[in-house]
Parts: sequence; structure tokens; C-alpha cells
Amino acid sequence: DAGVIQSPRHEVTEMGQEVTLRCKPISGHNSLFWYRQTMMRGLELLIYFNNNVPIDDSGMPEDRFSAKMPNASFSTLKIQPSEPRDSAVYFCASKRQGANTGELFFGEGSRLTVL
Amino acid sequence: GDSVTQMEGPVTLSEEAFLTINCTYTATGYPSLFWYVQYPGEGLQLLLKATKADDKGSNKGFEATYRKETTSFHLEKGSVQVSDSAVYFCALSEKTSGNQFYFGTGTSLTVIP
Repeated sequence: DAGVIQSPRHEVTEMGQEVTLRCKPISGHNSLFWYRQTMMRGLELLIYFNNNVPIDDSGMPEDRFSAKMPNASFSTLKIQPSEPRDSAVYFCASKRQGANTGELFFGEGSRLTVL
Repeated sequence: GDSVTQMEGPVTLSEEAFLTINCTYTATGYPSLFWYVQYPGEGLQLLLKATKADDKGSNKGFEATYRKETTSFHLEKGSVQVSDSAVYFCALSEKTSGNQFYFGTGTSLTVIP
């Protein structure tokens, strides 16, 4: 079975540009999470969705960040405008909602560098 | 609220040494507990889990026991290998928190030959 698929794997952009990161969760999983990982701050939860509905976006750093989940098989995380401090690895993860014993499956991450 | 506190790193061990990485948690209900491992350049992957008190999770020689009385889930391995070098994350998930996952800060382990 395919795991969580993220794209792009690497993105280098200039400050002020729009960045869109994409995620395809595992089929049948109805909870989706976006995390950001940096050396300084470790792993941070940005937002998570249950059944395509955002449940908690308190981790989204500021209005420059937005996330959508238009259907069960696709989510985007957008940064507009991007800034150098947004440089990080962004992970998408999915699981079956309601299964607190269930495993959270991670994608391989999108490494973003903002110059 | 729910949270996980794990031992700060980095940890450096010689091959075949004994490993312990401490993890304690705070939860309002009855969480499931997890250890995830992240190898360089990769995403996190599940190493082991325990879903109720006194359960022991085990995988690849690693073990952790869910201790409700001490709210702990310490990771142990009797004899580490160079290939165990990675970052280890303790985590919990609880139904009362909407099954959101709470991760510790991660502990970097380097095993030297």
C-alpha cells in the first residue's frame, strides 16, 4: 500500500514567493496532520483535520499560513508570502479518526528553504 | 492539558551499550503511548506502542512498558548498534483530546563503533 505522499520533497524559493506543499493521505484515513520540524523548535503541530474539517489550527504561526483539505485524498499547506524563518521540513501525517490506539503515519517530508 | 516530556539529548553510546531514554507524560484520561524513530533525512516511523497500563511494546530489540503509577514509558535496548543512530520521539494519543498526537522534543542517539 502507498504511504503518505508529499510533494515537493525539496523546495527552494525566494522571500516573498508563495509556497504550496501537497499531501495525499493513506486511503481510508480520515485524520490528517501537518507538522513543521526545525532544529530550534523541534516538531510542531500546525493544524489537523478530521473528515476534511479543520479541528485545531492553533499551531499555525500566522496569517501567512493556510491549509485546506478539499477532499479526503488531498491537502495543501500554503505560505504566502514566504520568509526565511519559514525554512523547515514540513511533514504530513494521517491516521484513522477515533482510533486512539492507531498509529500515525508520516510522509517523508517537504524540505523548504526560503532565501 | 496533555503533554510528553522526554530526556534531552544528544546521547552518545558505544556499540553494544545499554540504552535508556526516559519519557513521562501528563494526560487527563487513558492515553495510548508510542515511540517513534526518525532516521536521517526521513519521516517519523512507529517503533513500538502500548495502549493500556502495564502493556509492554517491543520491536527490533527495543522495549517500553506503560507505567501508569509513574506516568512513564521509558525506552530501553540491551545492546545498541550503529544502525540505531537516529532521533527518538515519545508520543501520546488520547480520545478525550480528539486523538491528537502529542510528541516529546526528541532525543538524538548516536552509536559509535
